Amino acid sequence: DQQVKQNSPSLSVQEGRISILNCDYTNSMFDYFLWYKKYPAEGPTFLISISSIKDKNEDGRFTVFLNKSAKHLSLHIVPSQPGDSAVYFCAASQIKAAGNKLTFGGGTRVLVKP
Amino acid sequence: SQTIHQWPATLVQPVGSPLSLECTVEGTSNPNLYWYRQAAGRGLQLLFYSVGIGQISSEVPQNLSASRPQDRQFILSSKKLLLSDSGFYLCAWNKRGLAQYFGPGTRLLVL
Repeated sequence: DQQVKQNSPSLSVQEGRISILNCDYTNSMFDYFLWYKKYPAEGPTFLISISSIKDKNEDGRFTVFLNKSAKHLSLHIVPSQPGDSAVYFCAASQIKAAGNKLTFGGGTRVLVKP
Repeated sequence: SQTIHQWPATLVQPVGSPLSLECTVEGTSNPNLYWYRQAAGRGLQLLFYSVGIGQISSEVPQNLSASRPQDRQFILSSKKLLLSDSGFYLCAWNKRGLAQYFGPGTRLLVL
């Protein structure tokens, strides 16, 4: 039972354009969402997060949007740069749950073409 | 600042051999600690987490076990490895807030 899904396994975008990554979740108890970036053979790096009391959070080129009614979040990267080429994972959590556990999606591989 | 270390970086082991992967965190005390596995082309699956010394919670039934003998040390073990144990093992920590911070990972190949 996949509670967090990233339905696009890959995305190709031209340098300078916008990258939009999508993530859907099924557990309505999730109230905190995160995006991570991962290069091959390295650990994931935390990018940005959003709590369910907000619908948008922005940090530089990265913006996360949350649509609670649709149980959907997205990550926008503007403008995309070649160094953004990586696998991106969304993750979800319950703020008050024991252990601060994260449930991850399967990842989306982004390729930014120069 | 906090840092997280994992070793070894790469490991090739025969089926049926034991396993011990180590993770240590520096620059913080009483962190929550986590072990994840990423199978080839897949997402991250939480295996174990620990909120304190000697406290281990298992998320999925499997051939592996975890221990936390010291506050900032987290060990992943197996008595007999299976082919299906191959993967990329990641240790992570957090303390305040929900973002977890990951180590560099260990690539395990069971032959």
